[in-house]
Amino acid sequence: GAVVSQHPSRVICKSGTSVKIECRSLDFQATTMFWYRQFPKQSLMLMATSNEGSKATYEQGVEKDKFLINHASLTLSTLTVTSAHPEDSSFYICSARGLELGEQYFGPGTRLTVT
Amino acid sequence: AQSVTQPDIHITVSEGASLELRCNYSYGATPYLFWYVQSPGQGLQLLLKYFSGDTLVQGIKGFEAEFKRSQSSFNLRKPSVHWSDAAEYFCAVGAREYGNKLVFGAGTILRVKS
Repeated sequence: GAVVSQHPSRVICKSGTSVKIECRSLDFQATTMFWYRQFPKQSLMLMATSNEGSKATYEQGVEKDKFLINHASLTLSTLTVTSAHPEDSSFYICSARGLELGEQYFGPGTRLTVT
Repeated sequence: AQSVTQPDIHITVSEGASLELRCNYSYGATPYLFWYVQSPGQGLQLLLKYFSGDTLVQGIKGFEAEFKRSQSSFNLRKPSVHWSDAAEYFCAVGAREYGNKLVFGAGTILRVKS
């Protein structure tokens, strides 16, 4: 089956610094990747849709200058949280759209803690 | 607006008992429907999906779901629950008309008692 990896799985950073999270499709090419945020005991909220070679499309209320998304290749998308603050602490999950219509494969998630 | 409702926040069943998790959706297009499972601190694993055709779909780990268009529902079932099924389950809906973006329900936490 299609496998999506994320790195790092956990990261702790100081307030004001930037953190980059990588999302890779390991055995398939993903023209579209999605970035989600999940707060404790809550569902997934879509942050942005990332298409290879073009600018990401952000959902309403998501600051595009704070959450920088780059999708430079068909197997890699990155999310950079800039000038992180404690309220950015969350579980970030990426997904990659597979070959079948609408199907997304999810990464294992990245736990970000901002101190 | 698109929405997905999972009315049960928590469900507790005995090991070996049957299970049904409810999912209702409101969508302005022909939906694709999914059920995902998430263990604590982990990503999501796809259990099953419905795109078209037979409305009863089989998934992994013995799960199945039935799409009922008249009721706008896609309930997940399993005839005999195992302790390892304890996790959180998410119903999700997408559509080509909406760029294949998924809208997730709030999730149902399943507890299994031995």
